[in-house]
Amino acid sequence: NAGVTQTPKFQVLKTGQSMTLQCAQDMNHNSMYWYRQDPGMGLRLIYYSASEGTTDKGEVPNGYNVSRLNKREFSLRLESAAPSQTSVYFCASRRDGNSGNTIYFGEGSWLTVV
Amino acid sequence: AQSVTQLDSQVPVFEEAPVELRCNYSSSVSVYLFWYVQYPNQGLQLLLKYLSGSTLVKGINGFEAEFNKSQTSFHLRKPSVHISDTAEYFCAVSDVFGNEKLTFGTGTRLTIIP
Repeated sequence: NAGVTQTPKFQVLKTGQSMTLQCAQDMNHNSMYWYRQDPGMGLRLIYYSASEGTTDKGEVPNGYNVSRLNKREFSLRLESAAPSQTSVYFCASRRDGNSGNTIYFGEGSWLTVV
Repeated sequence: AQSVTQLDSQVPVFEEAPVELRCNYSSSVSVYLFWYVQYPNQGLQLLLKYLSGSTLVKGINGFEAEFNKSQTSFHLRKPSVHISDTAEYFCAVSDVFGNEKLTFGTGTRLTIIP
């Protein structure tokens, strides 16, 4: 019963370093998402992928890139990390783009940029 | 575009007392409504959702919510809370017309006082 798995769980980066957050889901879902969670701001959508081979910007895409490697995997890359990117990142998936379907979340990745 | 307002950022409640967490939304089109719960250091999981039909929706762990279209509200209630209900609760809204985006409120932290 893995669901949505994301790695790493914790990471400390120096300003300017790059890193990739990995995400995989085993529910055969078509849609996948990356959110960031900041205190007092709820969750904000960074990027999403409606299907394998497609990606689209969400509410806060600046400073990030994504890759939908296959149906299972959706990675988030920070090319040059900034302190403003200190946050908790959640990967999520949904069966398809039908907005009534439930979105399932991973357990989060805590990223600190110093 | 949709928006969600959770007016209470923190709600302290004595154990076994009732609780209501407030959620109001704004949208120019019909919406689906969701409540998610986030336990400490975990991802979000679905508590309940309103898609159509009965305006009173029952979810997991004894929670329920009522959709009120005239007041554009979707308040979450539980008649008797337990220590294990300590968590952050997020209200969310999505467009019924297949939009991939799920808009979250800023969250309400529920603290149960023994």
